[in-house]
Amino acid sequence: AQKVTQAQTEISVVEKEDVTLDCVYETRDTTYYLFWYKQPPSGELVFLIRRNSFDEQNEISGRYSWNFQKSTSSFNFTITASQVVDSAVYFCALPPGANSKLTFGKGITLSVRP
Amino acid sequence: NAGVTQTPKFQVLKTGQSMTLQCAQDMNHEYMSWYRQDPGMGLRLIHYSVGAGITDQGEVPNGYNVSRSTTEDFPLRLLSAAPSQTSVYFCASSYSNSLGYTFGSGTRLTVV
Repeated sequence: AQKVTQAQTEISVVEKEDVTLDCVYETRDTTYYLFWYKQPPSGELVFLIRRNSFDEQNEISGRYSWNFQKSTSSFNFTITASQVVDSAVYFCALPPGANSKLTFGKGITLSVRP
Repeated sequence: NAGVTQTPKFQVLKTGQSMTLQCAQDMNHEYMSWYRQDPGMGLRLIHYSVGAGITDQGEVPNGYNVSRSTTEDFPLRLLSAAPSQTSVYFCASSYSNSLGYTFGSGTRLTVV
């Protein structure tokens, strides 16, 4: 069975602070992908990144970076110098290799205060 | 290219009424799914489809029906609405399970 755990439920930071959102997953698949999605207050779900289980290199995109560690089954997301526009709910998700049941964590609500 | 289009955006139903939430995509995606989002529960899979004519149940299928007669459309039917079905519903599609899913803008459903 697959499982995605986002133990943090709510995080509040002051603008310009760095913040890390944790994601721990369980899967029996040997090859898999991991996703992060953002849901701003407007409600839509925005795809942020996809990571292949074969590639453990960290990924950086502007102020966003992702740390994938297969040994600890974690795929953490760091926002550097946070901004008010980063306020959103962030979901980690795991699509299985054999079927299309995309499994989401329960989400982390990030509030960035000015 | 409109992406994933969901209608309606808002709906209020009375208990026992039935209705269909529409979902259409114009990206020729084979994979389509319906999720419901409730506070503190994240997104839970209701039904999904891997292609026209093929559907299967997700985590919370009770009270919902789906069909997939075309690649483009994947409607979700509420058979007899209950207050427990008050939620925000998202439709999503993908070309491949290894690529990111594109989500519709959601339908906010209230059952009174």
